[in-house]
Amino acid sequence: DTAVSQTPKYLVTQMGNDKSIKCEQNLGHDTMYWYKQDSKKFLKIMFSYNNKELIINETVPNRFSPKSPDKAHLNLHINSLELGDSAVYFCASSQRVAHSYEQYFGPGTRLTVT
Amino acid sequence: DQQVKQNSPSLSVQEGRISILNCDYTNSMFDYFLWYKKYPAEGPTFLISISSIKDKNEDGRFTVFLNKSAKHLSLHIVPSQPGDSAVYFCAAGNNRKLIWGLGTSLAVNP
Repeated sequence: DTAVSQTPKYLVTQMGNDKSIKCEQNLGHDTMYWYKQDSKKFLKIMFSYNNKELIINETVPNRFSPKSPDKAHLNLHINSLELGDSAVYFCASSQRVAHSYEQYFGPGTRLTVT
Repeated sequence: DQQVKQNSPSLSVQEGRISILNCDYTNSMFDYFLWYKKYPAEGPTFLISISSIKDKNEDGRFTVFLNKSAKHLSLHIVPSQPGDSAVYFCAAGNNRKLIWGLGTSLAVNP
């Protein structure tokens, strides 16, 4: 009965590879997010989808491509992985309600690029 | 440029005492503020929030205070419990986007 789940939890891969991280939420929320937490512990928004439509797209390399097949899923595909992509990636979801920013987070995916 | 700052990376408090975590922000357009708690190897968990039109919100042991003129908010936990030991993130919202602080690691000692 996990609210926001991510797979895999850990991902170790070599530079140049392509990898995907999957996220699913069963809260019935209409908005989903991808965050990156780097080595300095900054939690930074990367993308946000509302009802499968991209609404936030921060300055992120084109190698990162989110895909939302439906409201409950938001996947993150990363091409040509680089050392600097090593981080913890968090998926989150929320219900888009006026004056509410409450987001619910998954457990994170720790990506290590060697 | 950090719009949301948590200047204390860590805080240690005795069980039963009050924990006060602070957060400063620079953008006066923020209209909502939230505190999240994070345990190791888990995602952040929503704790409490406050709208910019209020100056206090209370939920059980947790109270958030907002001082708009000083662009400062604080989270009070009283009484502190060992299970409160975690990293606490302050986040501020504007235009559907949350900007996060770096977090304060709270240790509550028995």
